[in-house]
Amino acid sequence: LAKTTQPISMDSYEGQEVNITCSHNNIATNDYITWYQQFPSQGPRFIIQGYKTKVTNEVASLFIPADRKSSTLSLPRVSLSDTAVYYCLVADDKLIFGTGTRLQVFP
Amino acid sequence: DAGVIQSPRHEVTEMGQEVTLRCKPISGHNSLFWYRQTMMRGLELLIYFNNNVPIDDSGMPEDRFSAKMPNASFSTLKIQPSEPRDSAVYFCASSGQALYGYTFGSGTRLTVV
Repeated sequence: LAKTTQPISMDSYEGQEVNITCSHNNIATNDYITWYQQFPSQGPRFIIQGYKTKVTNEVASLFIPADRKSSTLSLPRVSLSDTAVYYCLVADDKLIFGTGTRLQVFP
Repeated sequence: DAGVIQSPRHEVTEMGQEVTLRCKPISGHNSLFWYRQTMMRGLELLIYFNNNVPIDDSGMPEDRFSAKMPNASFSTLKIQPSEPRDSAVYFCASSGQALYGYTFGSGTRLTVV
């Protein structure tokens, strides 16, 4: 399984765009890149998944360069409710969670 | 769809007692996963099933832990005997296709005193 590296924490203010970058240098050909969000006292929630290039949904965008050794989760115009832990995962059959990035959004 | 349903939401038990956690996956999902979350160790994958068959139980801490999935709509995680270090939040998740959006339950907060 590919190991991921992401910042432990990030701070932002309401209305700003937040970009969280994840490194996965040993990603395998069959691996997908998946991001999850977890609020306190809740289970993780799927945000977005991609294989290469760019993926966008109603919540976020995911940018993946051609070499796939990193990915960036982009959250447009964050609000206080986006304060959570964000996990970057790469795998082809089961999800192994790392420590995640704790995002704190301030007013 | 009611989502993944776990019971109980909270469980407090004494050391040495047997604990059974329950999970009802989303109908139609063929993969089921048990995770444990603590502050020290984060989210750990304990075991996962595919079509009711255990595929990988390498994350199960020790023989005190066991998991079963007798049918597609029900799974249990049992700890016998329980120890204080088993205190954690246990999550169950299910998925219809590998990786394409696991759905997690609300978790069971287990406290062993």
